[in-house]
Amino acid sequence: DFQMTQSPSSLSASVGDRVTMTCRASQNIAHLLSWYQKKPGRAPELLIYDASKLQSGVPSRFSGSGSGTDFTLTIISLQPEDFATYYCQQTYSTPLTFGPGTKVQIK
Amino acid sequence: QVTLRESGPALVKPTQTLTLTCTFSGFSLSSSGMCVTWIRQPPGKALEWLALIDWDDDKYYSSSLRTRLTVSKDSSKNQVVLTMTDMDPVDTATYFCARTPKYTSSWSGIDYWGQGTLVTVSS
Repeated sequence: DFQMTQSPSSLSASVGDRVTMTCRASQNIAHLLSWYQKKPGRAPELLIYDASKLQSGVPSRFSGSGSGTDFTLTIISLQPEDFATYYCQQTYSTPLTFGPGTKVQIK
Repeated sequence: QVTLRESGPALVKPTQTLTLTCTFSGFSLSSSGMCVTWIRQPPGKALEWLALIDWDDDKYYSSSLRTRLTVSKDSSKNQVVLTMTDMDPVDTATYFCARTPKYTSSWSGIDYWGQGTLVTVSS
């Protein structure tokens, strides 16, 4: 199985900040990585797929980059509605494993 | 408009078998590239991928739960069923079904999700 790690596990930021979080795969997954936003009591929302492709309807302040084993999700100018937990998922090979998440909290 | 909805018991007893049904609309699981995935999230914990069934009736499972999971589909009813045997309190979680397209030789992101259903395992 492909193991996914995320760092940091949590971060504190203010509205307007630029936020960056990383996801690492245990093996080369090419560009096959997705990012999700999860809020309590709600279903996850797909933000980015194929490492850098913005899902339709997702604000352009979200962006993804990376390939191989190292990936980054960046939120420029954090908005109040962005405080949530973010998960990465590899879509290279089943089982399609998720990372443990990065929780973005209000500073 | 793509929608998915999970249904099943809110409470099961330890050792029982859980059966969840995902009823979807807006796409066909008979169409090439369409897949339905099951994911769960225990309270306060991370998302966990459980199983996937594709348009060709190929099935894929979590390595750690493989022996307990079965996924099946009824394309005519637009339903996917997940069964999990030998339930334990650690299986208490919100269970989601979701659509996962496979456009080329690999899967894309999970683009549509059900609202999730909380299953509690307790005697």
